[in-house]
Amino acid sequence: NAGVTQTPKFQVLKTGQSMTLQCAQDMNHEYMSWYRQDPGMGLRLIHYSVGAGITDQGEVPNGYNVSRSTTEDFPLRLLSAAPSQTSVYFCASSSRGPTEAFFGQGTRLTVV
Amino acid sequence: GENVEQHPSTLSVQEGDSAVIKCTYSDSASNYFPWYKQELGKRPQLIIDIRSNVGEKKDQRIAVTLNKTAKHFSLHITETQPEDSAVYFCAAEGGGGTSYGKLTFGQGTILTVHP
Repeated sequence: NAGVTQTPKFQVLKTGQSMTLQCAQDMNHEYMSWYRQDPGMGLRLIHYSVGAGITDQGEVPNGYNVSRSTTEDFPLRLLSAAPSQTSVYFCASSSRGPTEAFFGQGTRLTVV
Repeated sequence: GENVEQHPSTLSVQEGDSAVIKCTYSDSASNYFPWYKQELGKRPQLIIDIRSNVGEKKDQRIAVTLNKTAKHFSLHITETQPEDSAVYFCAAEGGGGTSYGKLTFGQGTILTVHP
């Protein structure tokens, strides 16, 4: 049982490049979400999904896109990377609840 | 939307002492309050949680209290050990409908336990 798996673990992008952070879970959880973690600011919600085909914006959605075509996968797309998007990104999933959220191992993204 | 404030931002204690971290929330509809521990370079992991129909919950050296009227909740760690050193986050979720699956986190507390 792998839990929540994120790829890649590290990434360096140039300003203006696009990329997709991958997130997959094998626990059949309905809820999935993306957070970014910056020093002194805790974790802030970017986008979330309560099921396949349903997504909504969180606190800091600008510059990011998501889709949820399957229960297992919830990719996060950076459309045109900016230095302000340098951060650690965590994907999380949870079952219908509210109940415990399980986090992926994180992706450390640097935009230069 | 929900807003969660967490204090203190740093906490330094001697091994064996108790540590208390406090959080306040703004949305009275929130009904689930987890606490996460994050070690350096690792993912956040749940250590304890409490639901709005419970006032206190304990798990060995860790306890959480909730005051719904005042909209605050606290984490208590007794007999602290050096391995308790980490960043601790409180969070709030709930309120029904589209609020499920959305955690709002506090800013975090860096706990250092000195041997």
